Amino acid sequence: DVKVTQSSRYLVKRTGEKVFLECVQDMDHENMFWYRQDPGLGLRLIYFSYDVKMKEKGDIPEGYSVSREKKERFSLILESASTNQTSMYLCASTFYEGLYGYTFGSGTRLTVV
Amino acid sequence: ELKVEQNPLFLSMQEGKNYTIYCNYSTTSDRLYWYRQDPGKSLESLFVLLSNGAVKQEGRLMASLDTKARLSTLHITAAVHDLSATYFCAVPPRSPGSNYKLTFGKGTLLTVNP
Repeated sequence: DVKVTQSSRYLVKRTGEKVFLECVQDMDHENMFWYRQDPGLGLRLIYFSYDVKMKEKGDIPEGYSVSREKKERFSLILESASTNQTSMYLCASTFYEGLYGYTFGSGTRLTVV
Repeated sequence: ELKVEQNPLFLSMQEGKNYTIYCNYSTTSDRLYWYRQDPGKSLESLFVLLSNGAVKQEGRLMASLDTKARLSTLHITAAVHDLSATYFCAVPPRSPGSNYKLTFGKGTLLTVNP
C-alpha cells in the first residue's frame, strides 16, 4: 500500500513562529499536494508540486510556502504563524493522471496560540 | 472555475434503509473520486471512477459516474451504523496545466441511527 506520512499529528505553535509541516510518500509519486480543512469551508488547496523543485500555488497560498528538494518529500512552511492558520493540514500524493487515486496522509492538526 | 456540489450536506438515516448522495460538477472531467472521513481522521479512499459509465461497489456502497451529465452518485444499501461518517467527492479538471488538482465537494455528513 502507498503510504503518505505526515511527521506530526498534533502541533501547538506560537504566533510569529516559523512552522514546518513535513510529508513523505513512499511510492515514487510525481504529484504532491497540501490542503487545509476547516469546518464550513471544506478542503482547500494551498500548494502542489508536480516534480522536484517544481511548485504551483493553489487556491489559498498566502502565508505559506513549500519546498520539494526530493521526490518523496514535500514540506509546507508557515513563514510567520498566525491564529487564522489554526487548522487541519492534509498532505496527498498521486501518480500522474491520478489513475490509482490520491492517497492522503493522516493529517496534522495545528493550533497557533 | 471548477465547482463541485454535493447534496444533501446532512443525511440522517435509519439502519436498513437505502439512500443516494449526489455529486455534480461544473466543467468537463472524466474521473471522480469518493472519500470517507471519520471525525478527527484523514481521508480514506473509497472509489476511483475513471470513465463515463464506471460503476464500482464495495460492501453496502456503490458509486457511479456519468461524465455527460457531470454527475456521480454514491448509493447506500441497507445502511448500518458503521457507515456513519462524512463522504466527499472530488474532481480533477481536464484542462491543460491543471496537473490534476482536486476540487472537493463540501461533504455529506451521514448519520445512521439504530
